[in-house]
Order: sequence, then structure tokens, then C-alpha cells
Amino acid sequence: SQKIEQNSEALNIQEGKTATLTCNYTNYSPAYLQWYRQDPGRGPVFLLLIRENEKEKRKERLKVTFDTTLKQSLFHITASQPADSATYLCALISGGSYIPTFGRGTSLIVHP
Amino acid sequence: DAGVIQSPRHEVTEMGQEVTLRCKPISGHNSLFWYRQTMMRGLELLIYFNNNVPIDDSGMPEDRFSAKMPNASFSTLKIQPSEPRDSAVYFCASSLASQNLKPQHFGDGTRLSIL
Repeated sequence: SQKIEQNSEALNIQEGKTATLTCNYTNYSPAYLQWYRQDPGRGPVFLLLIRENEKEKRKERLKVTFDTTLKQSLFHITASQPADSATYLCALISGGSYIPTFGRGTSLIVHP
Repeated sequence: DAGVIQSPRHEVTEMGQEVTLRCKPISGHNSLFWYRQTMMRGLELLIYFNNNVPIDDSGMPEDRFSAKMPNASFSTLKIQPSEPRDSAVYFCASSLASQNLKPQHFGDGTRLSIL
């Protein structure tokens, strides 16, 4: 069955370091992959989209990679700040669809 | 611009009662989605509408759940009768899905507790 895996354990890092979050998937051939941020008590907020033929996408301090051979996406936040603390969800979208399937998310905690 | 607006933000009710959750999508968006989020299962799609028409309701867990979109600016998700296992956070999202994979915009959810 299709599965999207994100680390259920929180990632704790020190301010200023680079945070790297992982999204792995199986039995899936996504054409697109999205990353969302979710703060407590709020809905997810879209951050970045990457297509299957793109290796890397950047937006300010954010960088996303998409490796369809490894079936993995990495989400990096450089020069992390306490304000980056949140849960980050990846979402996969099949070709011909616009409906994302979400992972359960990984909590990031940036310590000052 | 106003985002997606959901009401109520919190709902606590007893088992067996009818629950109605409401959503106002972003003006101009033509797709609307209802999700349920729990610790165990994450964010699950329940149903989505395109141009006010239900397209896929395969995620609706049971006949106790129903959703309507009478016009482009309003949707409801109803649970009748409610059960404790329905306790979750319910999100509504909207998007301009017809245009080049625009992202979904989520409301802040309704936290539902069924006692």
C-alpha cells in the first residue's frame, strides 16, 4: 500500500544550524511534492512545491530536494531560528491530480 | 485578504448529537476540501468539491458524515449522530485547482470533542 513516512520524533537543533527533515515514500510515483508548515492550533501553510523533474528548489532560507530514485525528499532550513519551530508536513501529488496526500509531519524545535 | 474561515473553532458535545461544521473558502477559489487530523492517522482527506459539486467522497468514513456546498462561498460538514471516535481537528481548505497546481489554503480548523 502507498505510504508516506516522516520522522515521528521531534528534531531538536540549536539556533543558527541547518535543520534537515526527511520525507520518504513507498508504492507511490508522485509528479509533485509539497512542503507545508503547521503551527499549534493553526492549519497547514504551503511553503514550497517541487516537480519530479526538478532536483532542487530554493526559497529564501528553505531548500527542498526530490530524489525519485531514492523515493525521498529532503527539506532544509538554513540559519534556523526559534521562529522556525513548527511541524512540517510533506504532501505528494500524483500526475493528473491536484489532490495532495499528506505525511504525518515532523516537529522541529529550534533552541535559542 | 481574508483566508479560509471555519466555525466554530471548538465544539464539545455529547455522543449522539448532531454536529455541523462550517467553512467559507477564499473568494474566487473553485475547489474546497474537508480534512480530518488526528495523531494516529495524520491529515486525511474526507471529501472535495470542484465548482460546488462533490467530486470524491471516498474518504468520508461512514454514512453518519455528510457534506454540502450550496454555493461558492459556503460549505458544511455534518456528523449525525456523533460518536467519541469522531473527535479530531477538522480542516477546510480551498484552492484554485484548475490553474497549474495552486497550493491549498487551510482554515485554522474546528477542534471537535465528542464526550
